[in-house]
Amino acid sequence: QAVLTQPSSLSASPGASASLTCTLRSGINVGAYRIYWYQQKPGSPPQYLLRYKSDSDKQQGSGVPSRFSGSKDASANAGILLISGLQSEDEADYYCMIWHSSAWVFGGGTKLTVL
Amino acid sequence: EVQLVESGGGLVQPGGSLRLSCAASGFTFSRYWMSWVRQAPGKGLEWVANVKKDGSEKFYVDSVKGRFTISRDNAKNSLYLQMNSLRADDTAVYYCAGEAGSDVDYWGQGTLVTVSS
Repeated sequence: QAVLTQPSSLSASPGASASLTCTLRSGINVGAYRIYWYQQKPGSPPQYLLRYKSDSDKQQGSGVPSRFSGSKDASANAGILLISGLQSEDEADYYCMIWHSSAWVFGGGTKLTVL
Repeated sequence: EVQLVESGGGLVQPGGSLRLSCAASGFTFSRYWMSWVRQAPGKGLEWVANVKKDGSEKFYVDSVKGRFTISRDNAKNSLYLQMNSLRADDTAVYYCAGEAGSDVDYWGQGTLVTVSS
């Protein structure tokens, strides 16, 4: 089982909100980790969005709009990237990442379609 | 402005070697961890290796241990990845990236490594 699992795709309408999940493997407690989120558009390198561990330990990337935010669902053992007020320019691949066992680990990525 | 510019990619035969370089500018290079991350064609991101600010600690993904070596030259503001015993599954775009979650968490445009006979 992969360390981080993301749904492969998600669709949402312009103006709506999208919740992208990043589920940690059983036995790895989401509460202990900072979860990092990246956005990648076709033909471009990834861009850092934000990291979230708790409401007192979070950071927004430089220039990243506040409509991108992070949270956790402890019951689901998952990190969440919430994008509110979806815009067409938000259509991209989104990756989560954690530092686990002396290695950076990425989720498989979620392709977000805004239509 | 943070800039990271990779070079050194190309076509190499299985079993061959390549050395990637990353030229950094716009920030105090010696103050940050640096990483190499790769992306196979049409696939997701895979972290490859990172190195501490002074080069004293290095970490690698299991699949490259013993074959790849990350290094840095703080006097030249440069990051390197020596890749030996290359395999077809090492084919990817290789990105140089600044310290995760820091104010220099930026990525270069990447350099393509193709391992094929």
